[in-house]
Amino acid sequence: QVQLVESGGDLVKPGGSLRLSCAASGFTFSDYYMSWIRQAPGKGLEWLSYITDSSFTNYADSVKGRFTISRDNAENSLYLQMNSLRAEDTAVYYCAREVTAARGNALDVWGQGTMVTVSS
Amino acid sequence: QSVLTQPPSVSGAPGQRVTISCTGSSSNIGASYDVHWYQQLPGTAPKLLIYGNSNRPSGVPDRFSGSKSGTSASLAITGLQAEDEADYYCQCYDSSLSGSGVFGGGTKLTVL
Repeated sequence: QVQLVESGGDLVKPGGSLRLSCAASGFTFSDYYMSWIRQAPGKGLEWLSYITDSSFTNYADSVKGRFTISRDNAENSLYLQMNSLRAEDTAVYYCAREVTAARGNALDVWGQGTMVTVSS
Repeated sequence: QSVLTQPPSVSGAPGQRVTISCTGSSSNIGASYDVHWYQQLPGTAPKLLIYGNSNRPSGVPDRFSGSKSGTSASLAITGLQAEDEADYYCQCYDSSLSGSGVFGGGTKLTVL
């Protein structure tokens, strides 16, 4: 079945780095745009970044210059490299598949999330 | 604050109808970009509930419906059930932001 599984979440000190992974299965990964979204404890959803099927990338202002999204189509995997982490980056991080539409993509498949805690 | 405004909470008794609004602006909903809705049950990942303003993915009951008009969109839930108690988020593309989609702040639905 179609599935996304995130991994890599951990406790990290402010200023540190972390790399999240998202393993895709059950669909042709290379055909899809993919996104990262996060949710701080008790808060709402925040879209962070997307990568197209041809690896064009885009970022929210809150993470631009600190986070890097990438993909390995041969490994059916999505990544998020997070540098210069701050306390406010503490959140559950979700990867999601985008369903392409002319007037704005929807996120039709989500992973279960991985927790990132930034604290000294 | 999000560029898409939702009420923090709504409530209704079993069997009733509730609506959740999502108010945007001329750079998102008003620019004719599609609105999508997500349901997040407690302790779980979000799930796509409505896409393209009013379309239901396979498996979503027809008790859930979406609509859009002008700079606002709405999610309606009829025949409210206990298992509908969840957080609901609207999402839309915004042409004024550097990124892609933006989410509303979320609405907590309580079934009385």
